[in-house]
Amino acid sequence: AQSVTQLDSHVSVSEGTPVLLRCNYSSSYSPSLFWYVQHPNKGLQLLLKYTSAATLVKGINGFEAEFKKSETSFHLTKPSAHMSDAAEYFCVVRTLADRGSTLGRLYFGRGTQLTVWP
Amino acid sequence: DVKVTQSSRYLVKRTGEKVFLECVQDMDHENMFWYRQDPGLGLRLIYFSYDVKMKEKGDIPEGYSVSREKKERFSLILESASTNQTSMYLCASSFPGGGPKNEQYFGPGTRLTVT
Repeated sequence: AQSVTQLDSHVSVSEGTPVLLRCNYSSSYSPSLFWYVQHPNKGLQLLLKYTSAATLVKGINGFEAEFKKSETSFHLTKPSAHMSDAAEYFCVVRTLADRGSTLGRLYFGRGTQLTVWP
Repeated sequence: DVKVTQSSRYLVKRTGEKVFLECVQDMDHENMFWYRQDPGLGLRLIYFSYDVKMKEKGDIPEGYSVSREKKERFSLILESASTNQTSMYLCASSFPGGGPKNEQYFGPGTRLTVT
């Protein structure tokens, strides 16, 4: 079975301080992992993805995430938060196969709301 | 650029009405998906389709049906809308398989309110 747990529903940081959004996953297969961001009244945007290449993945807007198989984690980090980072972030796992098909469906975490204080 | 469009950004319907949500993609993707997004629950898969006229239930199909008569268009149907179907509905599309390039592309969403 596949599942994703985002450990914090809300994270608040001050502008200029580091960001850490935590994600643990469960997957029966070698997973692909993603982080998506959703700004208020905007669509989902792909931040970064891990697909079994380098375990440290760099994304857009200075975000990066590290795949740790031993810990089944894929935490999202950024060294210095910016006001424009305030948004909801989703950790997502995709498997290679599901129910005999090669569909590769996505499983979403419940989201982490990031607030950035000036 | 991949484009996934949804017919309405905002929709208000009455309880018991039949509701159609339309999604169109322009990238010749085989796979199309319907999700609903609710606060604190993330995105949950309602239905997906991997080919024209093919469909499979997702995690929460009750109260919904879908139609895929053409490759580029995937419709979500609420046969008799109820207030607990008030939500944000997101459509997505992708090429088949779980390869590294086969990511899902999302539409802007339709916020449906059922009164």
